[in-house]
Amino acid sequence: QQQVKQSPQSLIVQKGGIPIINCAYENTAFDYFPWYQQFPGKGPALLIAIRPDVSEKKEGRFTISFNKSAKQFSLHIMDSQPGDSATYFCAASIGTGTASKLTFGTGTRLQVTL
Amino acid sequence: DVKVTQSSRYLVKRTGEKVFLECVQDMDHENMFWYRQDPGLGLRLIYFSYDVKMKEKGDIPEGYSVSREKKERFSLILESASTNQTSMYLCASSRAGLHNEQFFGPGTRLTVL
Repeated sequence: QQQVKQSPQSLIVQKGGIPIINCAYENTAFDYFPWYQQFPGKGPALLIAIRPDVSEKKEGRFTISFNKSAKQFSLHIMDSQPGDSATYFCAASIGTGTASKLTFGTGTRLQVTL
Repeated sequence: DVKVTQSSRYLVKRTGEKVFLECVQDMDHENMFWYRQDPGLGLRLIYFSYDVKMKEKGDIPEGYSVSREKKERFSLILESASTNQTSMYLCASSRAGLHNEQFFGPGTRLTVL
């Protein structure tokens, strides 16, 4: 049972384009939504995160849009660069005790071409 | 610089062998996690630990066990490896508290023949 559905599976954009990756969730108990970026041969690293009390968060060229009523959130990368080529994972988190359990989407492999 | 290290980048084992995957973090983090990463399935949580000698099952604990004898070290154990456990295994750690960033190691690619 996939609790966080991510699309598309892969994406190719030209340099300067705006790739958009979408995620949808079912569990309304999720209360934190991070995005992780993974380069080949490396572990994922936190890119940006949002809480459900705001509809948008921007950090540099990366923006999360959040729609609580639709239970959807998306990552936009402005002015994309070849160095942004990586796999992106959305996630949703539920706090439990002193740790938060992350439920990840299936990942989107982004390629930014010259 | 924060660091999570995993004992091996690549490992090849035979069906039925007992396999130990080791993870060490140098950030004095309370929480540690083991995930497996498979194409098309993303990262799935196997086990996590929020304190020494404490452990909790994740979403796919079957066929795995863990050990946390010291705060900085979290081991994943495959008691009797099977071919369907061929995967990339990722360890992560985070500070105590809700929604703190998880820091990941580089992963161990395990192949079970």
